[in-house]
Amino acid sequence: DTAVSQTPKYLVTQMGNDKSIKCEQNLGHDTMYWYKQDSKKFLKIMFSYNNKELIINETVPNRFSPKSPDKAHLNLHINSLELGDSAVYFCASRQVGAGGNEQFFGPGTRLTVL
Amino acid sequence: SQKIEQNSEALNIQEGKTATLTCNYTNYSPAYLQWYRQDPGRGPVFLLLIRENEKEKRKERLKVTFDTTLKQSLFHITASQPADSATYLCALLAGNNRKLIWGLGTSLAVNP
Repeated sequence: DTAVSQTPKYLVTQMGNDKSIKCEQNLGHDTMYWYKQDSKKFLKIMFSYNNKELIINETVPNRFSPKSPDKAHLNLHINSLELGDSAVYFCASRQVGAGGNEQFFGPGTRLTVL
Repeated sequence: SQKIEQNSEALNIQEGKTATLTCNYTNYSPAYLQWYRQDPGRGPVFLLLIRENEKEKRKERLKVTFDTTLKQSLFHITASQPADSATYLCALLAGNNRKLIWGLGTSLAVNP
Protein backbone atom coordinates (compact mmCIF):
# COMPACT_ATOMS: atom_id res chain seq x y z
CA ASP A 1 0.00 0.00 0.00
CA THR A 2 3.03 2.29 0.29
CA ALA A 3 2.59 5.20 -2.12
CA VAL A 4 6.27 6.10 -2.63
CA SER A 5 8.84 3.54 -1.57
CA GLN A 6 12.62 3.68 -1.53
CA THR A 7 15.28 1.05 -1.03
CA PRO A 8 17.43 0.77 0.88
CA LYS A 9 16.42 2.77 3.94
CA TYR A 10 20.00 2.87 5.22
CA LEU A 11 23.20 2.69 3.21
CA VAL A 12 26.64 2.73 4.79
CA THR A 13 29.59 2.55 2.44
CA GLN A 14 33.20 3.51 1.96
CA MET A 15 34.49 6.50 0.03
CA GLY A 16 35.09 5.74 -3.61
CA ASN A 17 32.37 3.09 -3.89
CA ASP A 18 29.45 3.19 -6.32
CA LYS A 19 25.91 2.73 -5.01
CA SER A 20 22.30 2.94 -6.18
CA ILE A 21 19.06 3.95 -4.52
CA LYS A 22 15.76 2.83 -5.96
CA CYS A 23 12.39 4.55 -5.89
CA GLU A 24 8.96 3.40 -6.95
CA GLN A 25 5.57 5.10 -6.78
CA ASN A 26 2.21 3.40 -7.21
CA LEU A 27 0.18 6.60 -7.40
CA GLY A 28 0.14 6.79 -11.18
CA HIS A 29 1.95 10.14 -11.08
CA ASP A 30 3.84 11.37 -14.10
CA THR A 31 6.57 13.35 -12.34
CA MET A 32 9.22 12.14 -9.91
CA TYR A 33 11.98 13.90 -7.99
CA TRP A 34 15.16 13.27 -6.08
CA TYR A 35 15.97 15.54 -3.16
CA LYS A 36 18.97 15.70 -0.85
CA GLN A 37 18.47 16.72 2.78
CA ASP A 38 21.71 17.54 4.52
CA SER A 39 22.59 17.62 8.20
CA LYS A 40 21.15 21.14 8.49
CA LYS A 41 17.84 19.76 7.25
CA PHE A 42 17.95 21.82 4.05
CA LEU A 43 15.90 20.07 1.36
CA LYS A 44 17.42 20.63 -2.07
CA ILE A 45 16.09 19.36 -5.35
CA MET A 46 18.52 17.38 -7.47
CA PHE A 47 16.58 15.97 -10.40
CA SER A 48 13.09 15.69 -11.77
CA TYR A 49 11.63 13.45 -14.45
CA ASN A 50 8.31 13.86 -16.21
CA ASN A 51 7.15 10.78 -18.12
CA LYS A 52 10.71 9.44 -18.17
CA GLU A 53 12.11 12.71 -19.50
CA LEU A 54 14.62 14.69 -17.43
CA ILE A 55 13.15 18.15 -16.80
CA ILE A 56 15.14 19.45 -13.85
CA ASN A 57 18.85 18.91 -13.43
CA GLU A 58 20.23 21.12 -10.70
CA THR A 59 23.90 21.79 -10.14
CA VAL A 60 24.75 18.28 -9.08
CA PRO A 61 28.13 16.58 -9.63
CA ASN A 62 28.01 14.28 -12.64
CA ARG A 63 28.87 11.41 -10.29
CA PHE A 64 25.10 11.40 -9.68
CA SER A 65 23.09 9.85 -12.48
CA PRO A 66 19.33 9.40 -12.33
CA LYS A 67 17.58 6.79 -14.44
CA SER A 68 13.86 6.45 -15.07
CA PRO A 69 13.04 3.12 -16.74
CA ASP A 70 9.33 3.96 -16.63
CA LYS A 71 7.22 6.67 -15.08
CA ALA A 72 6.70 4.68 -11.88
CA HIS A 73 10.41 4.31 -11.15
CA LEU A 74 13.27 6.72 -10.64
CA ASN A 75 16.61 5.38 -9.52
CA LEU A 76 19.71 7.27 -8.45
CA HIS A 77 23.19 5.95 -9.07
CA ILE A 78 26.16 7.57 -7.38
CA ASN A 79 29.73 6.93 -8.50
CA SER A 80 32.91 7.47 -6.51
CA LEU A 81 31.14 8.36 -3.29
CA GLU A 82 32.59 11.18 -1.20
CA LEU A 83 32.21 12.10 2.46
CA GLY A 84 30.08 15.10 1.49
CA ASP A 85 27.51 12.83 -0.12
CA SER A 86 26.40 11.71 3.32
CA ALA A 87 22.80 12.88 3.69
CA VAL A 88 19.22 11.66 3.52
CA TYR A 89 17.96 11.27 -0.04
CA PHE A 90 14.24 11.56 -0.65
CA CYS A 91 12.28 10.50 -3.67
CA ALA A 92 8.98 12.26 -4.34
CA SER A 93 6.25 12.22 -6.95
CA ARG A 94 3.35 14.35 -8.07
CA GLN A 95 0.80 14.53 -10.83
CA VAL A 96 1.37 17.59 -13.00
CA GLY A 97 -1.80 19.56 -13.51
CA ALA A 98 -3.63 18.03 -10.58
CA GLY A 99 -5.43 20.60 -8.45
CA GLY A 100 -3.42 19.97 -5.32
CA ASN A 101 0.08 20.07 -6.79
CA GLU A 102 1.35 18.44 -3.65
CA GLN A 103 4.38 16.20 -3.69
CA PHE A 104 4.33 12.78 -2.07
CA PHE A 105 7.58 11.77 -0.44
CA GLY A 106 9.18 8.43 0.20
CA PRO A 107 10.59 7.51 3.61
CA GLY A 108 14.13 8.53 2.67
CA THR A 109 17.44 6.74 2.32
CA ARG A 110 20.08 7.68 4.87
CA LEU A 111 23.45 7.45 3.12
CA THR A 112 26.58 7.43 5.26
CA VAL A 113 29.94 7.57 3.52
CA LEU A 114 32.89 6.57 5.70
CA SER B 1 19.46 36.63 -4.21
CA GLN B 2 16.35 34.53 -3.78
CA LYS B 3 15.67 33.35 -0.25
CA ILE B 4 13.06 31.67 1.89
CA GLU B 5 13.30 32.12 5.62
CA GLN B 6 11.50 30.40 8.42
CA ASN B 7 11.89 30.93 12.17
CA SER B 8 15.20 29.21 12.79
CA GLU B 9 14.61 28.78 16.51
CA ALA B 10 12.41 26.01 17.77
CA LEU B 11 8.95 27.02 18.91
CA ASN B 12 7.76 25.67 22.25
CA ILE B 13 4.14 26.16 23.20
CA GLN B 14 1.67 24.80 25.71
CA GLU B 15 -0.99 22.34 24.66
CA GLY B 16 -4.22 24.06 23.69
CA LYS B 17 -2.53 27.27 22.52
CA THR B 18 -2.25 28.45 18.93
CA ALA B 19 1.09 27.93 17.22
CA THR B 20 2.06 30.48 14.57
CA LEU B 21 4.91 29.79 12.19
CA THR B 22 6.32 32.29 9.71
CA CYS B 23 7.65 31.92 6.19
CA ASN B 24 9.21 34.97 4.51
CA TYR B 25 10.59 35.10 1.02
CA THR B 26 12.47 37.59 -1.14
CA ASN B 27 12.86 38.02 -4.88
CA TYR B 28 10.19 35.51 -5.81
CA SER B 29 6.74 35.90 -7.27
CA PRO B 30 5.42 32.46 -6.47
CA ALA B 31 2.26 31.11 -8.02
CA TYR B 32 1.59 29.26 -4.80
CA LEU B 33 3.08 28.31 -1.49
CA GLN B 34 2.83 24.97 0.30
CA TRP B 35 3.26 23.82 3.88
CA TYR B 36 4.54 20.39 4.82
CA ARG B 37 5.09 18.54 8.06
CA GLN B 38 8.18 16.42 8.64
CA ASP B 39 8.61 14.00 11.52
CA PRO B 40 12.07 12.66 12.49
CA GLY B 41 13.24 9.92 10.16
CA ARG B 42 10.38 10.46 7.70
CA GLY B 43 9.70 12.31 4.50
CA PRO B 44 7.71 15.56 4.40
CA VAL B 45 3.94 15.25 4.28
CA PHE B 46 1.81 17.82 2.47
CA LEU B 47 -0.58 19.87 4.60
CA LEU B 48 -1.90 22.89 2.72
CA LEU B 49 -1.43 24.89 -0.47
CA ILE B 50 -2.34 28.54 -0.89
CA ARG B 51 -2.35 30.35 -4.21
CA GLU B 52 -1.15 33.88 -4.90
CA ASN B 53 -4.71 35.15 -5.28
CA GLU B 54 -5.86 33.63 -1.98
CA LYS B 55 -5.54 35.39 1.36
CA GLU B 56 -6.38 32.49 3.64
CA LYS B 57 -6.91 28.74 3.58
CA ARG B 58 -8.20 26.46 6.32
CA LYS B 59 -8.18 22.76 6.96
CA GLU B 60 -9.49 21.51 10.29
CA ARG B 61 -7.23 23.09 12.96
CA LEU B 62 -4.81 24.47 10.37
CA LYS B 63 -4.91 27.92 8.81
CA VAL B 64 -2.53 29.46 6.29
CA THR B 65 -2.39 33.09 5.20
CA PHE B 66 -0.51 34.51 2.25
CA ASP B 67 0.43 38.17 1.90
CA THR B 68 2.16 38.75 -1.43
CA THR B 69 2.81 42.39 -0.55
CA LEU B 70 4.67 41.50 2.63
CA LYS B 71 6.04 38.37 0.92
CA GLN B 72 4.99 36.32 3.89
CA SER B 73 2.93 33.29 4.78
CA LEU B 74 1.76 32.47 8.29
CA PHE B 75 0.85 28.96 9.36
CA HIS B 76 -1.41 28.55 12.40
CA ILE B 77 -2.30 25.45 14.37
CA THR B 78 -5.15 26.12 16.75
CA ALA B 79 -5.85 24.06 19.88
CA SER B 80 -2.42 22.53 19.53
CA GLN B 81 -1.71 18.99 20.74
CA PRO B 82 1.53 17.18 21.60
CA ALA B 83 0.98 15.12 18.43
CA ASP B 84 1.47 18.33 16.43
CA SER B 85 5.13 18.38 17.47
CA ALA B 86 7.19 18.15 14.29
CA THR B 87 9.16 20.29 11.85
CA TYR B 88 7.05 22.41 9.51
CA LEU B 89 8.43 23.33 6.11
CA CYS B 90 7.21 25.95 3.69
CA ALA B 91 7.93 25.64 -0.01
CA LEU B 92 7.13 27.86 -2.93
CA LEU B 93 6.92 27.22 -6.63
CA ALA B 94 9.59 28.99 -8.63
CA GLY B 95 11.67 28.68 -11.78
CA ASN B 96 9.14 28.33 -14.55
CA ASN B 97 6.76 26.55 -12.27
CA ARG B 98 8.78 23.39 -12.30
CA LYS B 99 10.37 23.12 -8.90
CA LEU B 100 9.70 23.83 -5.26
CA ILE B 101 12.14 25.94 -3.26
CA TRP B 102 12.13 24.95 0.41
CA GLY B 103 12.64 26.75 3.66
CA LEU B 104 14.75 25.16 6.38
CA GLY B 105 11.72 24.48 8.52
CA THR B 106 10.67 25.41 12.03
CA SER B 107 10.66 22.84 14.79
CA LEU B 108 7.49 22.95 16.89
CA ALA B 109 7.21 21.31 20.30
CA VAL B 110 3.81 21.23 22.00
CA ASN B 111 4.13 20.53 25.69
CA PRO B 112 1.37 18.68 27.56
